[in-house]
Amino acid sequence: EIVLTQSPGTLSLSPGERATLSCRASLSISSSLAWYQQKPGQAPRLLIYDASSRATGIPARFSGSGSGTDFTLTISSLEPEDFAVYYCQQRSNWPLTFGGGTRVESK
Amino acid sequence: EVQILESGGGLVQPGGSLRLSCAASGFTFTNYAMSWVRQAPGKGLDWVSTVFSGGNTNHADSVRGRFTISRDDSQNMLYLQMSSLRAEDTGVYYCAKATSNSSPFDYWGQGTLVTVSS
Repeated sequence: EIVLTQSPGTLSLSPGERATLSCRASLSISSSLAWYQQKPGQAPRLLIYDASSRATGIPARFSGSGSGTDFTLTISSLEPEDFAVYYCQQRSNWPLTFGGGTRVESK
Repeated sequence: EVQILESGGGLVQPGGSLRLSCAASGFTFTNYAMSWVRQAPGKGLDWVSTVFSGGNTNHADSVRGRFTISRDDSQNMLYLQMSSLRAEDTGVYYCAKATSNSSPFDYWGQGTLVTVSS
């Protein structure tokens, strides 16, 4: 099973600041990584797929990068609605696995 | 517009059974893999099962032999038959549509809560 480790666990930032979230895979997964955003009481929302492609309707301030074992989700300038929990997920190998999440909170 | 709606959650005793349903619309259901993903209270996301276009299935080791995923393409419905339920199966169960053959998941339902407790 491929383990995804997300860091940091919590990121405390102010609106307008840049957020950098990390996801590390225990084995190489090429570019088979997605990022989701989840707000309290809501279902997850797909942000990024194949490591760097934005999903439909996702603002350009969200970007993804990386390949192999190290991946990054960057939010260039935080908007108030971006404070949420973010998960990475790999589809390179079964079982499909998710990272433990990074909470982005308002400082 | 894509719509996904789960139903069937509830309170069940350990060792009991439950069947979750998911009604999908707004896309050609038969063309896409569909999955169940769960989330224990206050925890992260956990993939449970996938049924591919064509009917083949895959299950997480934690539920294999106890849960069965299935689909009815004539009704645009997805199901999860759960048996021998354990306390650790408690959580919100989401039905999710895959963008391609397995994931990622581009549309999700709002989830249905399953509570396993005596």
